[in-house]
Amino acid sequence: EAQVTQNPRYLITVTGKKLTVTCSQNMNHEYMSWYRQDPGLGLRQIYYSMNVEVTDKGDVPEGYKVSRKEKRNFPLILESPSPNQTSLYFCASSSTLYEQYFGPGTRLTVT
Amino acid sequence: RKEVEQDPGPFNVPEGATVAFNCTYSNSASQSFFWYRQDCRKEPKLLMSVYSSGNEDGRFTAQLNRASQYISLLIRDSKLSDSATYLCVVTPNTGGFKTIFGAGTRLFVKA
Repeated sequence: EAQVTQNPRYLITVTGKKLTVTCSQNMNHEYMSWYRQDPGLGLRQIYYSMNVEVTDKGDVPEGYKVSRKEKRNFPLILESPSPNQTSLYFCASSSTLYEQYFGPGTRLTVT
Repeated sequence: RKEVEQDPGPFNVPEGATVAFNCTYSNSASQSFFWYRQDCRKEPKLLMSVYSSGNEDGRFTAQLNRASQYISLLIRDSKLSDSATYLCVVTPNTGGFKTIFGAGTRLFVKA
């Protein structure tokens, strides 16, 4: 089954404790993105990748890191999480600049 | 001014009604336009792409007006299952994979 998977689905952590949210797709897509979704603000792009070892900033990259060492994986790293990074995070992949397939989301709470 | 703006909603309509959503974008060089649908607490899914010539898929019609920088979505004969949040999405012409989502318009279809 073609899908984008994210782990964990839910995470509660404390300020400053490094964490990684994994994202994996099995569709051999070149493009992958991370978004955060907050009430009233919609989805905002954090980082995107156009292929292995090619990443670029979206609209809200501050406080996040990404890497794309393999085509299927695109982890999101929060080196020192803060409460303002409490949000719903989505990973997405695409074979073109058109339809994006989203993962189920990761709900992160930073206390 | 936000790069992509949508009607704030929510829209409450009876079954069978016709409902229209509007979206404006600020970057005149934007190249691709989409409508996504998001059910409560779920991931967004592509509803349809939007072309200058218009695009129709069953009860759904999307239109693009580049001169006015305006996108619309028309839903005819609304069903209870159409209840969701509708997201306007724009891809600026920046050469990358940058994607801008509107904040979304919530639709409630009632029996």
